[in-house]
Amino acid sequence: AQRVTQPEKLLSVFKGAPVELKCNYSYSGSPELFWYVQYSRQRLQLLLRHISRESIKGFTADLNKGETSFHLKKPFAQEEDSAMYYCALKLGSGNTGKLIFGQGTTLQVKP
Amino acid sequence: EAQVTQNPRYLITVTGKKLTVTCSQNMNHEYMSWYRQDPGLGLRQIYYSMNVEVTDKGDVPEGYKVSRKEKRNFPLILESPSPNQTSLYFCASSRKPGQGFMNTEAFFGQGTRLTVV
Repeated sequence: AQRVTQPEKLLSVFKGAPVELKCNYSYSGSPELFWYVQYSRQRLQLLLRHISRESIKGFTADLNKGETSFHLKKPFAQEEDSAMYYCALKLGSGNTGKLIFGQGTTLQVKP
Repeated sequence: EAQVTQNPRYLITVTGKKLTVTCSQNMNHEYMSWYRQDPGLGLRQIYYSMNVEVTDKGDVPEGYKVSRKEKRNFPLILESPSPNQTSLYFCASSRKPGQGFMNTEAFFGQGTRLTVV
């Protein structure tokens, strides 16, 4: 079955510390993975997608097919990074393009 | 400005009183969906639509209905709301799958916080 797992509900770090938000997926097809972010009282918005291999706001994420992981990393956390982060798996075009979300991880960056 | 608009943003209602949450997008997207967000459960898909007059159940469709009479609108209908439908609801839209990886981003509405008492 297709599944996305984010094992940490809450991750609390100090400003300037490295951050890694974990995401593991289960999918037999070719995965398309995203990280979405939800700042306080705002809508979800796309942070980055694995296909473009980009760095947004200092965050990067590498798809590891061997470990079926797509962890989100940032070397130096900032207070404005505090938000809820969702990892999402998009099923292939033959599956209507449905998005499956993980449970979400709240990142709290302390001053 | 490209956006997905939901209304209302907040709603408190009583058990059994029918309600509709509207969703509208101005990006000419074919694919639209509704999610509910609950603590510890993340976002779960309620219903989705691949185009006008084409809708299907997501993971948690019980107690909900949708319609897609026009491409831009995808209302969520609760015929007889119950307290377990108290949640934060998000509408999302995206381009049709298969139109290129760089075009598959989902755009979300601001959310509707529903309380059923």
